[in-house]
Amino acid sequence: AQTVTQSQPEMSVQEAETVTLSCTYDTSESNYYLFWYKQPPSRQMILVIRQEAYKQQNATENRFSVNFQKAAKSFSLKISDSQLGDTAMYFCAFIANAGGTSYGKLTFGQGTILTVHP
Amino acid sequence: GAGVSQTPSNKVTEKGKYVELRCDPISGHTALYWYRQSLGQGPEFLIYFQGTGAADDSGLPNDRFFAVRPEGSVSTLKIQRTERGDSAVYLCASSSSITDTQYFGPGTRLTVL
Repeated sequence: AQTVTQSQPEMSVQEAETVTLSCTYDTSESNYYLFWYKQPPSRQMILVIRQEAYKQQNATENRFSVNFQKAAKSFSLKISDSQLGDTAMYFCAFIANAGGTSYGKLTFGQGTILTVHP
Repeated sequence: GAGVSQTPSNKVTEKGKYVELRCDPISGHTALYWYRQSLGQGPEFLIYFQGTGAADDSGLPNDRFFAVRPEGSVSTLKIQRTERGDSAVYLCASSSSITDTQYFGPGTRLTVL
């Protein structure tokens, strides 16, 4: 079974500063994808960034970047130049291929509440 | 439409009643997923469709839960004999294929009194 662990229930950061959210996962699969989703109070789950496990290069998306350590099964999210609109719950998620039958199941972590202060 | 839509946005019902939750995926997306999110938790997988057929329904908690997607587009999640423990946000997502990114709707908040 795949599991995703986010060990930081809550984080806070000052506007314009940098913050890193942690995520570890456990799987026996070699082919998988990792995601960070953001969920503001509106409930809408929004994709922040995606990483393919076979790619060694860390994904980046504007102010958002990841540190993907495959051997350590770690996938942290760095948010640079934090903005008030980044305040949300952030979820790390994982999807794997096990003979073609596990694709479709996103496994989510417990989430980290990020608050950006002015 | 531009994104995944779900109706109703909120549903309040009484214990024992039947409810239907609707999901309208992004046009052209063949894969559709249902998740359930309890307060303060991450979403949990319920079922997903590839086209009209349920490819994996292993997350449905019991036989009171059922979902259909008769024409390969809109999907309905049906819950019979609702219980207070069914109260949660039900999220729907769609993707262009099962290996592509899933895009989520705003969810339906179900409250069972």
